[in-house]
Amino acid sequence: NAGVTQTPKFRVLKTGQSMTLLCAQDMNHEYMYWYRQDPGMGLRLIHYSVGEGTTAKGEVPDGYNVSRLKKQNFLLGLESAAPSQTSVYFCASTRAGTRGDTQYFGPGTRLTVL
Amino acid sequence: AQSVTQPDIHITVSEGASLELRCNYSYGATPYLFWYVQSPGQGLQLLLKYFSGDTLVQGIKGFEAEFKRSQSSFNLRKPSVHWSDAAEYFCAVGAKTFGGSQGNLIFGKGTKLSVKP
Repeated sequence: NAGVTQTPKFRVLKTGQSMTLLCAQDMNHEYMYWYRQDPGMGLRLIHYSVGEGTTAKGEVPDGYNVSRLKKQNFLLGLESAAPSQTSVYFCASTRAGTRGDTQYFGPGTRLTVL
Repeated sequence: AQSVTQPDIHITVSEGASLELRCNYSYGATPYLFWYVQSPGQGLQLLLKYFSGDTLVQGIKGFEAEFKRSQSSFNLRKPSVHWSDAAEYFCAVGAKTFGGSQGNLIFGKGTKLSVKP
């Protein structure tokens, strides 16, 4: 039982390049989330998904797209990377998605955009 | 507006000393409150959570937190800190998502804990 895994762990991009971050969970959770973490800012929600085939915007969605084609996977895409997207990205999942539910986090992806 | 405030950006304590990390929240309804810990280079791990019942909550690794509704606080405590407790600690409130009904976490900005030998 690996929990929540993220691929890749590190990535360096040039401005304008695109990439996809993969999040996978093996807990059969319905709800999945993408956060970004910046120094002194805590974690901010980018997008989330309430189930396979369904996604929604969070607090800071601009410049990102997501897809949830399979229940266990949640992809975060950057179509044209900008230096402002340099951050650490965390994926999380929850079983029931209620506001008291525990979120399980992946180890993070450190992205640098030059 | 829903928010979480962690007033201390960085705290240094000596090993064996007691610890208290402060957290204040703003939330209109009954709050669901969480403390997460992030070790360097790692993801976030749940320490404890509160949503009803006894206002003193026990968590993993010897941590506890006390919910005080009158003060809108949920402070994290540990009686004796170990060097391995050096990490960043995040307080969060469980809120409804933007216009939706399911849960989301609103995080504070974190408190970095350093432990002196």
